[in-house]
Amino acid sequence: DAKTTQPTSMDCAEGRAANLPCNHSTISGNEYVYWYRQIHSQGPQYIIHGLKNNETNEMASLIITEDRKSSTLILPHATLRDTAVYYCIVRPSRLNFGNEKLTFGTGTRLTIIP
Amino acid sequence: SQTIHQWPATLVQPVGSPLSLECTVEGTSNPNLYWYRQAAGRGLQLLFYSVGIGQISSEVPQNLSASRPQDRQFILSSKKLLLSDSGFYLCAWNPRDSSYEQYFGPGTRLTVT
Repeated sequence: DAKTTQPTSMDCAEGRAANLPCNHSTISGNEYVYWYRQIHSQGPQYIIHGLKNNETNEMASLIITEDRKSSTLILPHATLRDTAVYYCIVRPSRLNFGNEKLTFGTGTRLTIIP
Repeated sequence: SQTIHQWPATLVQPVGSPLSLECTVEGTSNPNLYWYRQAAGRGLQLLFYSVGIGQISSEVPQNLSASRPQDRQFILSSKKLLLSDSGFYLCAWNPRDSSYEQYFGPGTRLTVT
């Protein structure tokens, strides 16, 4: 999997938009950008993924630069429950035999401030 | 709907003792199954994955082993625990025909003393 680089930690005020950056300068053409988050002492939770177009769902928006070397996850109105570690992952859409193993880095620890 | 279970939720074991962690998935068939470990302050490390009954692939050499005796059951074992085996163990699954989401269980926090 291509390597990603994320800031170690970020703070965001409650109610504001949280913008989490991710660099993936070695991404290849068939690789998607995935975001997961992990709330303390829980399993990771899928948030969103994209290839080259911006994506939006009920949880977040994903903005991918035109050269695909970086992306930003946006939580439009952060709440205290969004405090978690956010992981940016890059990998092909499908692997051999349907094995979709994920490689997690250390992610960004996002703290929402009341 | 699909659900994934892990037990126990927490476990404290002495060095040299055996280990057995269990993961089961409900509401689906033929899932891909995964075991991850997260050491304190570290990212998740993939330990094992399985694409079918009796089919286990190991990602890193270690003191642990995995088995899949049934389609929706995944077991992580050790004959003799080491201090370095302490961590948060997560089981995950994804449908065989889906490449996008991977669903994680609640995890087991193992402390080896």
